[in-house]
Amino acid sequence: DAGVIQSPRHEVTEMGQEVTLRCKPISGHDYLFWYRQTMMRGLELLIYFNNNVPIDDSGMPEDRFSAKMPNASFSTLKIQPSEPRDSAVYFCASSKGRPSVTEAFFGQGTRLTVV
Amino acid sequence: TQLLEQSPQFLSIQEGENLTVYCNSSSVFSSLQWYRQEPGEGPVLLVTVVTGGEVKKLKRLTFQFGDARKDSSLHITAAQPGDTGLYLCAGESLGGYSTLTFGKGTMLLVSP
Repeated sequence: DAGVIQSPRHEVTEMGQEVTLRCKPISGHDYLFWYRQTMMRGLELLIYFNNNVPIDDSGMPEDRFSAKMPNASFSTLKIQPSEPRDSAVYFCASSKGRPSVTEAFFGQGTRLTVV
Repeated sequence: TQLLEQSPQFLSIQEGENLTVYCNSSSVFSSLQWYRQEPGEGPVLLVTVVTGGEVKKLKRLTFQFGDARKDSSLHITAAQPGDTGLYLCAGESLGGYSTLTFGKGTMLLVSP
């Protein structure tokens, strides 16, 4: 398996624009997580899905953020409108079962810069 | 929110030295994991500990979970440049909410 695949790897956009980040989890994994990593705050969980259903989105910072998982092999994280403070590395991770007892596999991340 | 404090934040050592990094919390965790993250990559799982007092070894790395399951340590013997990276600890809260809380990490630089 190719692992968790995220696209794009890098995104530079202007403030106010819509940004869509994409993730393809490992086949057969039933959990999918979106994280954001910054120097100041570290790695923060934004939202996670179990069997394509959003379970906990309490980490989503604002209504500007939304995430979907239309099927088991694809998820998106959308920011509309984007702001400079959204600049961070966004990671998608998947696991077969709870990540605390199995292993969560992370993608390479999308580095987002909002200018 | 259950917080995990990692120390030190940054550590720069020479090849061959030993080191210990720490992960502490005031909360009890049902399990704790250590990850290593290299530049431009996502974190990669190193180990999971679930029992208070548990010790696990992975080659030159030794992981310990505190008796009260509130803290953990990672000891590296004879560090090598390939050990360079960001070491993150992550804990699952009691009750099993299927989510991990991550510390901010310890950045380790091992020079030849």
